[in-house]
Amino acid sequence: ETGVTQSPTHLIKTRGQQVTLRCSSQSGHNTVSWYQQALGQGPQFIFQYYREEENGRGNFPPRFSGLQFPNYSSELNVNALELDDSALYLCASSSSGRDRSDEQYFGPGTRLTVT
Amino acid sequence: AQRVTQPEKLLSVFKGAPVELKCNYSYSGSPELFWYVQYSRQRLQLLLRHISRESIKGFTADLNKGETSFHLKKPFAQEEDSAMYYCAFYSSASKIIFGSGTRLSIRP
Repeated sequence: ETGVTQSPTHLIKTRGQQVTLRCSSQSGHNTVSWYQQALGQGPQFIFQYYREEENGRGNFPPRFSGLQFPNYSSELNVNALELDDSALYLCASSSSGRDRSDEQYFGPGTRLTVT
Repeated sequence: AQRVTQPEKLLSVFKGAPVELKCNYSYSGSPELFWYVQYSRQRLQLLLRHISRESIKGFTADLNKGETSFHLKKPFAQEEDSAMYYCAFYSSASKIIFGSGTRLSIRP
């Protein structure tokens, strides 16, 4: 069984640029959630994708967007990067159906630094 | 507002002593609560969830709806319990709300 993988591991971007982060879900999982974890804080929910559709969104502006592909892998895109976007971005997959919660399996994260 | 509060950023106890990590939540519905743990250099992983009513690695957590609490307890701490612990609950719209975490340090 392959676990959740994320790429890249680290990334440095300049304010105003755009970034794409990638996540491959665990085998058999159809749901992917993205979280932002600032230093010293718990993960904050960005959004969730279930079977290629957005299935819930946290308090993040529209410049945070995502995609889920037919193989259930996912991308997180952030436009017009700001310094406060510097954080660890976590992806988690689960076998949740719509409106259900199951154990989430987390990836190792992508560390984004915006300068 | 939907919120999880973990009042202690750091909790340090001696090996063999009891452990209690505090968690309070604010949610108007019936919450589904979890404890997640992150050991050094490992990924965030589920420790236990209240609907399972299990004891995992000697840890238990009881949901107290009157006090809106879900404290994590272990009677005798072990050195391998040192980790970052996050309380979380599943709210509507498929959101999981995490607390800010408590770092548990077990002294030998």
